[in-house]
Amino acid sequence: DAMVIQNPRYQVTQFGKPVTLSCSQTLNHNVMYWYQQKSSQAPKLLFHYYDKDFNNEADTPDNFQSRRPNTSFCFLDIRSPGLGDAAMYLCATSRVKLGKGYNEQFFGPGTRLTVL
Amino acid sequence: SQELEQSPQSLIVQEGKNLTINCTSSKTLYGLYWYKQKYGEGLIFLMMLQKGGEEKSHEKITAKLDEKKQQSSLHITASQPSHAGIYLCGADTAGGFKTIFGAGTRLFVKA
Repeated sequence: DAMVIQNPRYQVTQFGKPVTLSCSQTLNHNVMYWYQQKSSQAPKLLFHYYDKDFNNEADTPDNFQSRRPNTSFCFLDIRSPGLGDAAMYLCATSRVKLGKGYNEQFFGPGTRLTVL
Repeated sequence: SQELEQSPQSLIVQEGKNLTINCTSSKTLYGLYWYKQKYGEGLIFLMMLQKGGEEKSHEKITAKLDEKKQQSSLHITASQPSHAGIYLCGADTAGGFKTIFGAGTRLFVKA
């Protein structure tokens, strides 16, 4: 089945130790998103790729970076995790066409990040 | 910037009872999505509404978008334990590439 896969499901890191979260998709969607979701809060968009074009949200800290080496894979790099970065990180994909008018997104199961 | 407010924040219902969840936008909605999130997992797409007055149903879940396109409701008929989870509404921002989400409504169904 076509799907969005995130690895690992659970990640524990130490304060300040770089960590990379991965997302892969078999849907061949052109847009990939990374969201941060803290407990009892709405998912917050960090950035998205439209094909190879990277789009950073204005309030996304510089500590967060992303790479999309090909259509199928996207990575979230946290260069120096702080305690406040502990959260669920959700990857989503969408097939977007200009003027299409809607944007159904398909989500992965998420990676729960713990910072010690 | 556009904001989505969901009510109630949480809801406990007895199995078999009906319930309604609301999503109110600070601006006109051009695409309104309902997702369900099981605790500790990703979001699952339920329905999308675009037109004022539109109503869609899937199994026992019905979603409506009001005529003025600033509020949507999600109605569950004869709730079951499998309906338990977090229901989030989402709305397209200008350009349609990005979706903003409400904080969610946590539904608990007592057997």
